[in-house]
Amino acid sequence: DMPMTQSPSTLSASIGDRVTITCRASESISTWLAWYQQKPGKAPRLLIYEASILQSGVPSRFSGSGSGTEFALTINNLQPDDVATYYCQQYNSPWTFGQGTKVEVK
Amino acid sequence: QIQLVQSGAEVRRPGASVKVSCKTSGYTFTAHYIHWVRQAPGQGLEWMGWINSDSGSTDYAPKFQDRVSMTRDTSTSTVYMELSRLNSNDSAMYFCARQSAVLSVKVFDSWGLGTFVSVSS
Repeated sequence: DMPMTQSPSTLSASIGDRVTITCRASESISTWLAWYQQKPGKAPRLLIYEASILQSGVPSRFSGSGSGTEFALTINNLQPDDVATYYCQQYNSPWTFGQGTKVEVK
Repeated sequence: QIQLVQSGAEVRRPGASVKVSCKTSGYTFTAHYIHWVRQAPGQGLEWMGWINSDSGSTDYAPKFQDRVSMTRDTSTSTVYMELSRLNSNDSAMYFCARQSAVLSVKVFDSWGLGTFVSVSS
């Protein structure tokens, strides 16, 4: 298995802020990386795939970047609805998730 | 619309087995793999394996290889995940998730709501 390392584990920001979550792979996965959002008591929701492609219906304030081993998820203009835990996932082989980043509002 | 409807919560004793179902609708069943992902309380997401809904072939994470079985029924567009020799560490929410139909984009674009399995003596 390929471990994925996310940071930070918790992030507290104000409404309107720009927040960035990072994800690191132990070896190159090209751009085979996705980001999911999970709200408490809910199933995860796909936000971004191939490191930077926004899934249909996802607000444009979400963006992804990176390739190889270093990736980032950025939320511009943080909204109350963005309070959730965010997971990165590599799908090079096999599938593994980061440990999650909980985003809170100050 | 695309739906993955999972069976209800289960309670099992240690050593028992559990079989969770995931009934799909709103898309061509055989065009998408289905994965199973679990999440222990307060923990992260753990991939368990997939089933090819068309052929029935499977691939399991090494951790579950010897005690998980994934099957499908094409007549009802339903996928099943059976986990045997349960222990307390298997208490978790179990999600089924649909893989994108684009072969190179192996992400999970639709999810079931989850089935909680509790293992306790």
